[in-house]
Amino acid sequence: KAGVTQTPRYLIKTRGQQVTLSCSPISGHRSVSWYQQTPGQGLQFLFEYFSETQRNKGNFPGRFSGRQFSNSRSEMNVSTLELGDSALYLCASSLEVLAGAYNEQFFGPGTRLTVL
Amino acid sequence: AQSVAQPEDQVNVAEGNPLTVKCTYSVSGNPYLFWYVQYPNRGLQFLLKYITGDNLVKGSYGFEAEFNKSQTSFHLKKPSALVSDSALYFCAVRVLSMDSNYQLIWGAGTKLIIKP
Repeated sequence: KAGVTQTPRYLIKTRGQQVTLSCSPISGHRSVSWYQQTPGQGLQFLFEYFSETQRNKGNFPGRFSGRQFSNSRSEMNVSTLELGDSALYLCASSLEVLAGAYNEQFFGPGTRLTVL
Repeated sequence: AQSVAQPEDQVNVAEGNPLTVKCTYSVSGNPYLFWYVQYPNRGLQFLLKYITGDNLVKGSYGFEAEFNKSQTSFHLKKPSALVSDSALYFCAVRVLSMDSNYQLIWGAGTKLIIKP
């Protein structure tokens, strides 16, 4: 089975721009979660999608949004980029049929976003 | 407040020696606990989890973790370290968020360095 894929792997943007990141989960996985990883804050949960619906959300401003398509592929969007948004954005998929966060997650390699 | 802590930023171990990476938690209710590993320039990989049952959990790559309810700890261990174990290790715990959804919160990570 192919693993979780994320595109692009690297992005450089300037403040004020917006960006869209893409994630393709493992075949059969319907739950997709997004995380922001920074050296200072560690791993922070952004949101989780299941069957095209946002099922869970972390404490990030509304500039961060996402969606999921019928084939379970997911995108996240960050509008009006700030310097502090520079981070590694990780996508993870799982067989989480019920919203219980008790199954292991399978992570993609991440998208490294640099905001100048 | 619900939290997970990894008290050591870095752990140094000689190859062949036993290793321990520490994790403590504070949650309401029964804890669901996870360990993940992150190799350089790669996403996180699941190592093991504790949901219920035996306090000693065995996982991938020869790792195991011991759940200790009285000490609220879930330390990761390996009897004999390999240089290839050098990586960043994350402990995570499932918590019930303010909006009654489950999500994972993550420790800050511990860098494990195994010296030949």
